[in-house]
Order: sequence, then C-alpha cells, then structure tokens
Amino acid sequence: ETGVTQTPRHLVMGMTNKKSLKCEQHLGHNAMYWYKQSAKKPLELMFVYNFKEQTENNSVPSRFSPECPNSSHLFLHLHTLQPEDSALYLCASSQEIGDSNQPQHFGDGTRLSIL
Amino acid sequence: KNQVEQSPQSLIILEGKNCTLQCNYTVSPFSNLRWYKQDTGRGPVSLTIMTFSENTKSNGRYTATLDADTKQSSLHITASQLSDSASYICVVSFARRSNDYKLSFGAGTTVTVRA
Repeated sequence: ETGVTQTPRHLVMGMTNKKSLKCEQHLGHNAMYWYKQSAKKPLELMFVYNFKEQTENNSVPSRFSPECPNSSHLFLHLHTLQPEDSALYLCASSQEIGDSNQPQHFGDGTRLSIL
Repeated sequence: KNQVEQSPQSLIILEGKNCTLQCNYTVSPFSNLRWYKQDTGRGPVSLTIMTFSENTKSNGRYTATLDADTKQSSLHITASQLSDSASYICVVSFARRSNDYKLSFGAGTTVTVRA
C-alpha cells in the first residue's frame, strides 16, 4: 500500500460521456498531483495542488477539470475526451511542494480508454 | 529544454544475471536524481535518491551511481529476480527558483527477467 488510492482502476468511456477520477491520500501530505502516462513516454505533469489551491496547470485542455476539496482528496473531471486522451492517469502526493528531497507517492492509476 | 534520456528502452535478462540501466540528463541547475520502480499495473515507487555529492547508493540488490560532471546516472541490478521485472524511471529535480523545484522524467526502461 502506497497510501494513495485511486478509483476507478479502469474506465472505458465514449467521447461524449462525463466521468470523474478520484484520488485519496492517507499520508497527511499537503501537495497533490495529476499525471498522464502514455506508453513509452515520460510522465506528463498536468496539475499541482498545494493546500488545496491549484499552483500549476501545464496547459491542459479544458476537457480536463481538476477539483481539490481538501488536502486529502483530488478529482479529475472528464468531459468530451478525445481518443488521444487514452492513457494511465496517475495521482501523487508529497509532503511539501518546495522540498525536492521528499519523494512523490503515487497511486496505482486509472487506466482510461476512450472509444 | 530540460531532458532526461534513458537507455536502453527495454531489455530482457535471465534470472540471476546482472544488468545496468543508464540515465543521461541535461537539466540545470541540478538538485537531485531519483530512480523509481513501476511494476505492471502499479504506480511508481521510489528506489533511491542521489544528491550532487553522492556517487553511489545501494538499496538491496539495486545500486545507483551518479556522475554530476558528465550528468549521467546508472542503476545496476544484481542477481536479478523475477520480481525485478518492471519499468525503471529516472527523475531529475532541478530548481526553477529558490524553493521552487521542477521534476523532469525519463521515459523509463522496461526490464523483463526470465526464468
């Protein structure tokens, strides 16, 4: 157990559907992250939240909408996705944003397939 | 553009044999380098972290090296086991500003250990 739980583990949706990914961390961390992982490519940072405030949005299309109601929960709302959005979406948390010596703790991801 | 290049992209080894994975980076200014292990269907888990002053660090059968002058790191797996089959990701942290760090990810090396 990494202390970061993601649901669902797998999701298949059509391009017109609306769905949400959920992430919960039990580590008492203050920072949470969304990443996109595509085959044979480096992880792509999507969003960063610190104390439930968004501090970074890496030019992510508006069809991805994050929500962080508190420091333990992070959501990624999906709407009108494209086939190229099919990927593994990883959530991570860390104690602080500014401390590079602390590792990020990752969940096991949601495997998203867009039909 | 900050980059982290890993090689080989994939490799297959027999159980009990050793292997070495390479990571070359161009990020600057360097803060630290971390190796993650990602099992199939799971999120990445930190194996080891290397700071500027460290040349070698071991974690069980995993030994990481760092040459900050040539900006190269390696991860050596000794006496491989079937459980070592995974993707190994090199992540380099660099400082954008004081107390503001950014991570640059490699695409990973997929290791397959066969009996």
